[in-house]
Amino acid sequence: LAKTTQPISMDSYEGQEVNITCSHNNIATNDYITWYQQFPSQGPRFIIQGYKTKVTNEVASLFIPADRKSSTLSLPRVSLSDTAVYYCLVGLYNNNDMRFGAGTRLTVKP
Amino acid sequence: DTGVSQDPRHKITKRGQNVTFRCDPISEHNRLYWYRQTLGQGPEFLTYFQNEAQLEKSRLLSDRFSAERPKGSFSTLEIQRTEQGDSAMYLCASSPGTKGLNGYEQYFGPGTRLTVT
Repeated sequence: LAKTTQPISMDSYEGQEVNITCSHNNIATNDYITWYQQFPSQGPRFIIQGYKTKVTNEVASLFIPADRKSSTLSLPRVSLSDTAVYYCLVGLYNNNDMRFGAGTRLTVKP
Repeated sequence: DTGVSQDPRHKITKRGQNVTFRCDPISEHNRLYWYRQTLGQGPEFLTYFQNEAQLEKSRLLSDRFSAERPKGSFSTLEIQRTEQGDSAMYLCASSPGTKGLNGYEQYFGPGTRLTVT
Protein backbone atom coordinates (compact mmCIF):
# COMPACT_ATOMS: atom_id res chain seq x y z
CA LEU A 1 0.00 0.00 0.00
CA ALA A 2 1.27 3.42 -0.90
CA LYS A 3 2.39 5.56 2.01
CA THR A 4 0.91 9.03 2.34
CA THR A 5 2.33 12.20 3.86
CA GLN A 6 0.18 15.09 5.01
CA PRO A 7 0.82 18.19 7.12
CA ILE A 8 0.15 17.50 10.77
CA SER A 9 -1.94 20.62 11.26
CA MET A 10 -3.32 23.66 9.48
CA ASP A 11 -5.09 26.81 10.60
CA SER A 12 -7.56 28.84 8.62
CA TYR A 13 -10.27 31.46 9.08
CA GLU A 14 -13.93 31.31 8.35
CA GLY A 15 -14.80 31.99 4.74
CA GLN A 16 -11.38 31.09 3.37
CA GLU A 17 -10.60 28.29 0.95
CA VAL A 18 -8.47 25.56 2.46
CA ASN A 19 -6.19 23.30 0.46
CA ILE A 20 -4.69 20.22 2.09
CA THR A 21 -2.03 18.45 0.08
CA CYS A 22 -1.18 14.78 0.41
CA SER A 23 1.98 13.22 -1.04
CA HIS A 24 1.89 9.63 -2.27
CA ASN A 25 5.00 9.09 -4.34
CA ASN A 26 4.57 5.32 -4.56
CA ILE A 27 0.98 5.28 -5.75
CA ALA A 28 0.22 2.25 -7.91
CA THR A 29 -1.50 2.31 -11.27
CA ASN A 30 -4.78 0.95 -9.92
CA ASP A 31 -4.83 2.99 -6.72
CA TYR A 32 -7.49 5.55 -5.95
CA ILE A 33 -7.20 8.51 -3.59
CA THR A 34 -9.81 8.88 -0.89
CA TRP A 35 -10.32 11.52 1.78
CA TYR A 36 -12.15 11.13 5.06
CA GLN A 37 -13.09 13.69 7.72
CA GLN A 38 -13.29 12.96 11.43
CA PHE A 39 -14.78 15.06 14.21
CA PRO A 40 -13.89 14.39 17.85
CA SER A 41 -15.64 11.36 19.33
CA GLN A 42 -17.08 10.35 15.98
CA GLY A 43 -16.11 7.87 13.31
CA PRO A 44 -14.55 9.12 10.07
CA ARG A 45 -16.85 10.31 7.30
CA PHE A 46 -16.18 9.86 3.59
CA ILE A 47 -15.60 13.14 1.76
CA ILE A 48 -14.44 12.38 -1.76
CA GLN A 49 -12.63 9.87 -3.94
CA GLY A 50 -10.81 10.24 -7.24
CA TYR A 51 -8.37 8.66 -9.65
CA LYS A 52 -7.05 11.49 -11.79
CA THR A 53 -7.62 15.13 -12.77
CA LYS A 54 -10.40 16.72 -10.77
CA VAL A 55 -13.41 15.50 -8.87
CA THR A 56 -15.97 17.78 -7.27
CA ASN A 57 -18.96 17.11 -5.07
CA GLU A 58 -21.17 19.22 -2.84
CA VAL A 59 -18.59 19.21 -0.06
CA ALA A 60 -15.14 19.45 -1.63
CA SER A 61 -12.95 19.21 -4.69
CA LEU A 62 -10.06 16.86 -5.24
CA PHE A 63 -7.24 17.85 -7.57
CA ILE A 64 -4.89 15.17 -8.83
CA PRO A 65 -1.99 16.09 -11.13
CA ALA A 66 -1.04 13.96 -14.10
CA ASP A 67 1.76 12.12 -12.27
CA ARG A 68 -0.65 11.30 -9.40
CA LYS A 69 2.15 11.54 -6.86
CA SER A 70 0.18 14.02 -4.84
CA SER A 71 -3.36 15.23 -4.43
CA THR A 72 -5.02 18.29 -2.96
CA LEU A 73 -8.28 18.39 -1.08
CA SER A 74 -9.93 21.78 -1.47
CA LEU A 75 -12.60 22.96 0.96
CA PRO A 76 -14.34 26.13 -0.27
CA ARG A 77 -15.29 28.83 2.22
CA VAL A 78 -14.71 26.88 5.42
CA SER A 79 -16.74 27.43 8.55
CA LEU A 80 -16.04 26.69 12.20
CA SER A 81 -17.80 23.35 11.77
CA ASP A 82 -15.12 22.23 9.33
CA THR A 83 -12.66 21.98 12.21
CA ALA A 84 -11.71 18.31 12.10
CA VAL A 85 -9.01 15.83 11.17
CA TYR A 86 -8.71 15.04 7.47
CA TYR A 87 -7.23 11.76 6.28
CA CYS A 88 -5.80 10.98 2.87
CA LEU A 89 -5.80 7.30 1.87
CA VAL A 90 -4.43 5.61 -1.21
CA GLY A 91 -5.33 2.15 -2.38
CA LEU A 92 -7.56 0.10 -4.58
CA TYR A 93 -11.02 1.58 -4.84
CA ASN A 94 -12.33 -1.58 -3.23
CA ASN A 95 -9.54 -1.68 -0.68
CA ASN A 96 -10.51 -3.52 2.44
CA ASP A 97 -7.40 -2.74 4.42
CA MET A 98 -7.56 1.02 4.66
CA ARG A 99 -4.46 2.54 6.21
CA PHE A 100 -5.16 5.81 7.96
CA GLY A 101 -2.19 7.95 8.84
CA ALA A 102 -2.27 10.59 11.55
CA GLY A 103 -4.17 12.94 9.24
CA THR A 104 -4.20 16.73 9.10
CA ARG A 105 -5.82 18.56 11.98
CA LEU A 106 -7.58 21.59 10.51
CA THR A 107 -8.58 24.37 12.87
CA VAL A 108 -10.91 27.03 11.53
CA LYS A 109 -10.89 30.25 13.50
CA PRO A 110 -13.55 32.97 13.59
CA ASP B 1 -31.39 3.81 7.07
CA THR B 2 -30.34 4.70 10.57
CA GLY B 3 -26.60 4.44 10.03
CA VAL B 4 -24.09 2.18 11.70
CA SER B 5 -24.70 1.71 15.40
CA GLN B 6 -22.40 0.39 18.08
CA ASP B 7 -23.04 -0.78 21.60
CA PRO B 8 -21.97 0.06 24.20
CA ARG B 9 -20.63 3.54 23.57
CA HIS B 10 -18.38 3.33 26.59
CA LYS B 11 -16.92 0.41 28.49
CA ILE B 12 -14.71 0.43 31.55
CA THR B 13 -13.25 -2.89 32.56
CA LYS B 14 -10.52 -4.24 34.76
CA ARG B 15 -7.42 -5.80 33.33
CA GLY B 16 -7.88 -9.48 32.67
CA GLN B 17 -11.62 -9.31 32.04
CA ASN B 18 -13.27 -10.18 28.74
CA VAL B 19 -15.32 -7.62 26.85
CA THR B 20 -17.62 -7.86 23.85
CA PHE B 21 -18.75 -5.09 21.56
CA ARG B 22 -21.57 -5.13 19.08
CA CYS B 23 -21.91 -3.43 15.71
CA ASP B 24 -25.07 -3.16 13.64
CA PRO B 25 -24.21 -2.14 10.07
CA ILE B 26 -26.42 -0.34 7.63
CA SER B 27 -28.94 -2.87 6.42
CA GLU B 28 -28.00 -4.60 3.16
CA HIS B 29 -24.36 -3.57 3.46
CA ASN B 30 -22.50 -6.78 2.90
CA ARG B 31 -19.10 -5.55 4.05
CA LEU B 32 -18.25 -4.86 7.67
CA TYR B 33 -14.99 -3.61 9.14
CA TRP B 34 -13.49 -3.20 12.59
CA TYR B 35 -10.87 -0.58 13.43
CA ARG B 36 -9.09 0.54 16.57
CA GLN B 37 -8.11 4.14 17.19
CA THR B 38 -5.89 5.57 19.90
CA LEU B 39 -5.58 9.22 20.80
CA GLY B 40 -3.91 11.32 18.11
CA GLN B 41 -3.73 8.48 15.63
CA GLY B 42 -5.83 7.48 12.68
CA PRO B 43 -7.95 4.35 12.78
CA GLU B 44 -6.03 1.07 12.54
CA PHE B 45 -7.60 -1.74 10.50
CA LEU B 46 -8.36 -4.88 12.52
CA THR B 47 -10.54 -7.15 10.42
CA TYR B 48 -13.10 -7.30 7.62
CA PHE B 49 -16.17 -9.40 6.76
CA GLN B 50 -17.86 -10.04 3.46
CA ASN B 51 -21.31 -11.17 4.57
CA GLU B 52 -20.63 -13.78 7.29
CA ALA B 53 -17.12 -14.66 6.11
CA GLN B 54 -14.14 -13.09 7.83
CA LEU B 55 -11.88 -12.49 4.84
CA GLU B 56 -9.08 -10.45 6.26
CA LYS B 57 -7.43 -9.98 9.61
CA SER B 58 -4.61 -7.66 10.51
CA ARG B 59 -1.33 -9.37 11.35
CA LEU B 60 -1.11 -6.97 14.23
CA LEU B 61 -4.27 -8.39 15.76
CA SER B 62 -3.58 -10.38 18.90
CA ASP B 63 -5.13 -13.83 19.25
CA ARG B 64 -6.99 -12.40 22.24
CA PHE B 65 -9.20 -10.62 19.72
CA SER B 66 -11.95 -12.45 17.90
CA ALA B 67 -14.76 -11.23 15.71
CA GLU B 68 -17.89 -12.84 14.35
CA ARG B 69 -20.66 -11.89 12.02
CA PRO B 70 -23.31 -14.59 12.25
CA LYS B 71 -25.79 -14.62 9.38
CA GLY B 72 -24.03 -11.69 7.80
CA SER B 73 -25.88 -9.12 9.84
CA PHE B 74 -24.55 -7.65 13.10
CA SER B 75 -21.02 -8.31 14.26
CA THR B 76 -19.34 -8.77 17.62
CA LEU B 77 -15.77 -8.09 18.60
CA GLU B 78 -14.51 -9.85 21.71
CA ILE B 79 -11.33 -9.08 23.57
CA GLN B 80 -10.21 -11.72 26.04
CA ARG B 81 -7.96 -11.06 29.03
CA THR B 82 -7.91 -7.33 28.41
CA GLU B 83 -4.71 -5.37 28.91
CA GLN B 84 -4.22 -1.68 29.54
CA GLY B 85 -2.83 -1.35 26.01
CA ASP B 86 -6.23 -2.35 24.67
CA SER B 87 -7.67 0.97 25.81
CA ALA B 88 -8.83 2.68 22.64
CA MET B 89 -11.82 3.60 20.54
CA TYR B 90 -13.14 0.62 18.58
CA LEU B 91 -14.81 1.64 15.36
CA CYS B 92 -17.06 -0.36 13.12
CA ALA B 93 -17.80 0.51 9.50
CA SER B 94 -19.87 -0.98 6.72
CA SER B 95 -20.00 -0.53 2.98
CA PRO B 96 -22.30 -1.72 0.21
CA GLY B 97 -19.37 -3.16 -1.70
CA THR B 98 -20.71 -2.27 -5.12
CA LYS B 99 -18.59 -1.66 -8.15
CA GLY B 100 -17.75 1.79 -9.35
CA LEU B 101 -16.40 4.94 -7.81
CA ASN B 102 -17.40 5.36 -4.19
CA GLY B 103 -18.97 1.92 -4.17
CA TYR B 104 -16.71 0.88 -1.35
CA GLU B 105 -17.19 4.04 0.68
CA GLN B 106 -17.16 3.06 4.31
CA TYR B 107 -19.76 4.36 6.73
CA PHE B 108 -18.47 4.48 10.27
CA GLY B 109 -20.33 4.08 13.53
CA PRO B 110 -19.77 6.32 16.58
CA GLY B 111 -17.39 3.83 18.16
CA THR B 112 -17.04 2.11 21.53
CA ARG B 113 -14.54 3.69 23.87
CA LEU B 114 -12.81 1.04 25.97
CA THR B 115 -10.90 1.90 29.13
CA VAL B 116 -8.97 -0.88 30.81
CA THR B 117 -7.99 -0.10 34.39
